[in-house]
Amino acid sequence: AQSVSQHNHHVILSEAASLELGCNYSYGGTVNLFWYVQYPGQHLQLLLKYFSGDPLVKGIKGFEAEFIKSKFSFNLRKPSVQWSDTAEYFCAVNSHSGTYKYIFGTGTRLKVLA
Amino acid sequence: DTGVSQDPRHKITKRGQNVTFRCDPISEHNRLYWYRQTLGQGPEFLTYFQNEAQLEKSRLLSDRFSAERPKGSFSTLEIQRTEQGDSAMYLCASSALYGLETQYFGPGTRLLVL
Repeated sequence: AQSVSQHNHHVILSEAASLELGCNYSYGGTVNLFWYVQYPGQHLQLLLKYFSGDPLVKGIKGFEAEFIKSKFSFNLRKPSVQWSDTAEYFCAVNSHSGTYKYIFGTGTRLKVLA
Repeated sequence: DTGVSQDPRHKITKRGQNVTFRCDPISEHNRLYWYRQTLGQGPEFLTYFQNEAQLEKSRLLSDRFSAERPKGSFSTLEIQRTEQGDSAMYLCASSALYGLETQYFGPGTRLLVL
């Protein structure tokens, strides 16, 4: 069955700490990969996406993610977090064909302490 | 570009009542998706429209749920005979027919069934 796993449900970091959030997927065929962020009281916003090409993708606000095909992983990283990064982060995948519906992970709630 | 809008933002209803939600996608976006998100979970796919055609429905969408997109623009999601288990955030997203298949999300409608 198609699924996305996010291993860390809650993460607490101090400002300036480095961040890595794990995402693994199980999906037959070629996939597109996404990270979305949901700030408190706001809607889901796209952080970054991978469709093809360079497996290291850079997104907004200093975030980046690396697609490792052999590990079915798409981990999100940021070298130095800020208090304003406090949010919930969702990994999602969809197929290169068909309806392009998303399969989401359960999310990781990040709290950054000032 | 005003983004995806949803109405109402919050709905409280009594068990057994019918409710209807509306989604206005980004103009000229052909694809429209409904998702449901419960506490502690990522969004789960409910249904997909390409223009006015409903092309896929999840098994989560029981026969009490119906969705329409009559003119290929806005969409409605109706829940008949609501149950407490229907309490959730209902999200709408849209994307362009051609391109990188990134979905843009609305703010959601939070439903509470008493």
